[in-house]
Amino acid sequence: GQQLNQSPQSMFIQEGEDVSMNCTSSSIFNTWLWYKQDPGEGPVLLIALYKAGELTSNGRLTAQFGITRKDSFLNISASIPSDVGIYFCAGPAGNTGKLIFGQGTTLQVKP
Amino acid sequence: GAGVSQTPSNKVTEKGKYVELRCDPISGHTALYWYRQSLGQGPEFLIYFQGTGAADDSGLPNDRFFAVRPEGSVSTLKIQRTERGDSAVYLCASSLDRGPSTFGSGTRLTVV
Repeated sequence: GQQLNQSPQSMFIQEGEDVSMNCTSSSIFNTWLWYKQDPGEGPVLLIALYKAGELTSNGRLTAQFGITRKDSFLNISASIPSDVGIYFCAGPAGNTGKLIFGQGTTLQVKP
Repeated sequence: GAGVSQTPSNKVTEKGKYVELRCDPISGHTALYWYRQSLGQGPEFLIYFQGTGAADDSGLPNDRFFAVRPEGSVSTLKIQRTERGDSAVYLCASSLDRGPSTFGSGTRLTVV
């Protein structure tokens, strides 16, 4: 079935550094979503991408929908301690809106 | 409500017992999803409701798991004869039609 692979699995960076993480798939997706999950909470939508090649920003976050429709990346600029959490990429499986998630990238930020 | 509400937030139960987990979606959201998240993993799809009907239950692991949404709003996930392997965070999400989902905070189920 469809799978999403995220890398890196975890990152430990200094406050103020930029961060890049990506997500790849063996099959095509028509939508890419990036979520962040804090401990004890559900995932929160950060950015939604709907078109191949699309580059979208949300504050310090920038995400791109790969031109092949099989990958996406998320960049965080000038990281701050509250960026700590687990970042998931997700894409719809079929046309029902149900999502397939990657295994997540855990981000830790050292003040 | 303003967000997706899940109760209880934590549930500890003994192996073999029956449990019910409740989800109250965002008002007006017709689509409702249940996911299960094990430690260190992303959420995995269980079941999808469009209105009152279960449109896709392909993610339910076995017949001990069942979910209902009788009035097209609140949903209950029911697990019979719980096993230790059922321990996980159960997440509910809702959306307008098939748009991006908004998630609740989840119910952490521990089977001892």
